[in-house]
Amino acid sequence: QVQLVQSGAEVKKPGASVKVSCKVSGYTLTELSMHWVRQAPGKGLEWMGGFDPEDGERIYAQKFQGRVTMTEDTSTDTAYMELSSLRSEDTAVFYCAIGRNGMDVWGQGTTVTVSS
Amino acid sequence: QSVLTQPPSVSGAPGQRVTISCTGSSSNIGAGYDVHWYQQLPGTAPKLLIYGNGNRPSGVPDRFSGSKSGTSASLAISGLQAEDEADYYCQSYDNSLSGYVFGTGTKVTVL
Repeated sequence: QVQLVQSGAEVKKPGASVKVSCKVSGYTLTELSMHWVRQAPGKGLEWMGGFDPEDGERIYAQKFQGRVTMTEDTSTDTAYMELSSLRSEDTAVFYCAIGRNGMDVWGQGTTVTVSS
Repeated sequence: QSVLTQPPSVSGAPGQRVTISCTGSSSNIGAGYDVHWYQQLPGTAPKLLIYGNGNRPSGVPDRFSGSKSGTSASLAISGLQAEDEADYYCQSYDNSLSGYVFGTGTKVTVL
């Protein structure tokens, strides 16, 4: 079955960028619809962006447009999410998740702490 | 601020039935987009509980059921068990935002 393994925790200073990876095993990345979801401490889930299977395009949440970049390395079946211009409010757990009708497989989450 | 509104909390005694509402609008649930539900136990990643409005993935007990009507959707948990104590989120697509959205989340407490 498909498994998603994410990179480890990060601590960044305000203004820096962070790049989180999500390694896919048990399937080919190109056949999956990958999404990224953020969860701030004690808060709810927030969709950041992902692959829209209906039109084959990658789409980003309006809130993150211009600050987030999602890429994929098909040679290693690894997806990446890079968030720039970090601020303290970006402190959160970031999840990768896949699914075409609901997100049915999730990574374990990567904690990103933004602190001076 | 999410466009899908859920009650902050619901509670029930073991064995009881509880429902969680997910209220949207004509640009998401009312536009015909599917609603999915997730369960998140403390300190863990979310788990898909219901997909496509009312379908259960393999392994999800039939105590969990989902429905959709108009601009709203609901998740019902019957025969409430202690292990059901968790946060629950609905999710859909919104065409005015051109992206996916999660509900505000509901904490279920088993009394």
